[in-house]
Amino acid sequence: QKEVEQNSGPLSVPEGAIASLNCTYSDRGSQSFFWYRQYSGKSPELIMFIYSNGDKEDGRFTAQLNKASQYVSLLIRDSQPSDSATYLCAVCGSGGSYIPTFGRGTSLIVHP
Amino acid sequence: GAGVSQTPSNKVTEKGKYVELRCDPISGHTALYWYRQSLGQGPEFLIYFQGTGAADDSGLPNDRFFAVRPEGSVSTLKIQRTERGDSAVYLCASSLFPPGTDTQYFGPGTRLTVL
Repeated sequence: QKEVEQNSGPLSVPEGAIASLNCTYSDRGSQSFFWYRQYSGKSPELIMFIYSNGDKEDGRFTAQLNKASQYVSLLIRDSQPSDSATYLCAVCGSGGSYIPTFGRGTSLIVHP
Repeated sequence: GAGVSQTPSNKVTEKGKYVELRCDPISGHTALYWYRQSLGQGPEFLIYFQGTGAADDSGLPNDRFFAVRPEGSVSTLKIQRTERGDSAVYLCASSLFPPGTDTQYFGPGTRLTVL
């Protein structure tokens, strides 16, 4: 059974700080990894995806993947109150099924 | 349309009733997914269509749940003999290419409440 684990939080950071969101997964054959942001009462929207070990940067966001440790993280630099949302990690595995498995999400609160 | 649309936005029904939830994907997207999301949880996969056919229905919880996509565009999720445990937000998503390789675009969801 594929599992994707996230700390539900909330993670509280001050405005301007770096927010670090973490996700671990159980299927060692997983190949693609996605971070979604979900505002309260809204649907998830993709922030970024990563396929290869290492870092991938997009603006204030950096995704980090370590397949050996089965760990993926999202860093948000210069956090803004508008970043306050739930961040969902999604993992696509091997074995012929590429349906994303989502974690429960981490609630992030950026306070002024 | 510009994005994925879902109707109705809210549905309240009584235990034992039948409901249909509709999803209209982004034009041209061949892949369509249904998820349901309970409070405090991530989206839980239900079924994936590639074109008109259900390529993966392993997430459907039981035979009360059924989904169709007869023309490869609009999809309907059908729930028979609804139970209180079916209460959740039902999300539809679509993508241009198969899962795992492309961005999924989510609709606004249908909030189903079973009394």
